[in-house]
Amino acid sequence: AQKVTQAQTEISVVEKEDVTLDCVYETRDTTYYLFWYKQPPSGELVFLIRRNSFDEQNEISGRYSWNFQKSTSSFNFTITASQVVDSAVYFCALSGQGGSEKLVFGKGTKLTVNP
Amino acid sequence: DSGVTQTPKHLITATGQRVTLRCSPRSGDLSVYWYQQSLDQGLQFLIHYYNGEERAKGNILERFSAQQFPDLHSELNLSSLELGDSALYFCASSPLGAGVASYNEQFFGPGTRLTVL
Repeated sequence: AQKVTQAQTEISVVEKEDVTLDCVYETRDTTYYLFWYKQPPSGELVFLIRRNSFDEQNEISGRYSWNFQKSTSSFNFTITASQVVDSAVYFCALSGQGGSEKLVFGKGTKLTVNP
Repeated sequence: DSGVTQTPKHLITATGQRVTLRCSPRSGDLSVYWYQQSLDQGLQFLIHYYNGEERAKGNILERFSAQQFPDLHSELNLSSLELGDSALYFCASSPLGAGVASYNEQFFGPGTRLTVL
């Protein structure tokens, strides 16, 4: 069975601080995909990044960066110089391959960035 | 804007009633997924349709059913509603089908917030 664990339920930081959101996953699939989604207070789910299991390169996109480590089954997300607009719930998700690529979500981490 | 539309945006109804949630996927997307987001269960996969056929079921109650029509829009039917069915229901679409090597990037609609009183 697939499982995603986001151990941090809530994080509160002050603007301009760096913050890392942790994600640990479990799967027996050899091919799988990892995702991060952002859910702002307005409620929609915004896709941030996708990574497949064969690509362990870290990725940086502006203030966002992701660290994928298969050895520890982790796919952590770092926001550098956080801003108030980053306040949201962030979800890590996992999908396998074959049959149905449904997403298995973690419980989410609520990030509050205070001015 | 993801290109996925869901109607209605909000729905308030009473216990025991039946409602239908509608989803229109992005143009050309063949797969539609339904998810439920509730406070106690988090975001959970309900059901997946690909080109009109059911491909997978998750934690979907027997009181719930779904279908995907020839024009690829999908409807989620919830019946005999209970207080615990109050949740945000998301539809997502993706371009490729199950079993095809793909990244399966899923594009989410804005959701339908269901309140059962």
